[in-house]
Order: sequence, then structure tokens, then C-alpha cells
Amino acid sequence: GNSVTQMEGPVTLSEEAFLTINCTYTATGYPSLFWYVQYPGEGLQLLLKATKADDKGSNKGFEATYRKETTSFHLEKGSVQVSDSAVYFCALSATSNTGKLIFGQGTTLQVKP
Amino acid sequence: GAVVSQHPSWVICKSGTSVKIECRSLDFQATTMFWYRQFPKQSLMLMATSNEGSKATYEQGVEKDKFLINHASLTLSTLTVTSAHPEDSSFYICSALGGRGSYNEQFFGPGTRLTVL
Repeated sequence: GNSVTQMEGPVTLSEEAFLTINCTYTATGYPSLFWYVQYPGEGLQLLLKATKADDKGSNKGFEATYRKETTSFHLEKGSVQVSDSAVYFCALSATSNTGKLIFGQGTTLQVKP
Repeated sequence: GAVVSQHPSWVICKSGTSVKIECRSLDFQATTMFWYRQFPKQSLMLMATSNEGSKATYEQGVEKDKFLINHASLTLSTLTVTSAHPEDSSFYICSALGGRGSYNEQFFGPGTRLTVL
């Protein structure tokens, strides 16, 4: 079946450090891929998405490239800020587009000043 | 825009009682809503898909008689945990499917923390 695996956290970085959160997936067909962010006390928000191979999603300085050959969608940011501290979820939506999402386990990021 | 609310944000109840959680799309209509359950330090697990005006579709392993879902209007879905027990204690999150052009995006509520004593 379809699944998403994220690197385990927590990830602790100093401000302005480079961030990578790994995400790999297993799916049949051509899923859409997403990164969601959950700030403390808030609901999940869509951070970025990619709907086909080699697409790059980007938002707020974060980027992720849909790599079909490695079944990966790693999240990167060149210079993190304290305000980026949150839980990040990688997710996929299967080709059937019922809207159903399958989530990874989430990675907690803590950025220290 | 695209705000989803949940009520209550947290609830504590005694074992054997029923608890209702509301999920509302505040500024858009949603024919489809989803209910998730999240355990500490774990991922969101989809429980069911709620469709306005029809029966919910439950994921494998989710007891439909225990987790009653009603989607009576285009802006409201409710999840009732019947005869709750301590093992039902969890964080319940809903989302509403909203359209942006040709792409439907899920907008998430802030979650409801249920503690069953």
C-alpha cells in the first residue's frame, strides 16, 4: 500500500543554519506530494506541493523537489529562523484524487537563536 | 480565507459517556470533510471521509458504530465518540476539502484533545 516515511526528529538547529528533512514514499501510480507545517496550537497548513515528477514546490524559503527515481520529496531551507520552529509533515495523495492524504510521522524542528 | 474551526478544543469525560466534536468550515462550503486521529509523536491516521448528505466512509479498522459521523450541512461535520473509554483518548483533527480552481486542498482544523478518565 501507499506510505510515507520521514526522518525522525526532533531536529535542533541554530538560526540561519541549513535545513533538510528527508521524506520518502511508496505509492503506485503518480501521487501528488505535500509538505504541511503545524505551528504550536494551530492546525496543519499546506507549506508546498508538487504534482508530478521533477516539479519543485516552494514557499516561504522552503523547497522540495519531486524525485520519482528515488521516490523522495526532501524539504530544504537555506537559512532557518526561530519562527520556523514547528512540526513538519510529508504527505501524499494517490492518483485517484479522492482527496485522501497519507501522512508521514512528522518531524519536530526547533530553531534556537 | 479557508478557515476551519473545531469545537471544543479540549474535553475531559468519564468512561462510558459520549462526546461530540464539531468541525466547521467558516468561509467556504465543503462537500467533503475528513476526520483524523493523532497519537503523541505519531502521524495523523485517517479515520473516515465525511460527505455532505450521505453516509461517511470509514477506513479499515475504524468502528463506525463507535465513531459516528454526521455531515448534515456544507459547513458542518460532527464526530461523536460513543461510550468513550480511556483508549479513545487522543487528538482528533478534521479537515475540509476546498477548491481552488482545478485543485482541491484540505484545510485543517486546530484539533480537539479528548481525555477519557
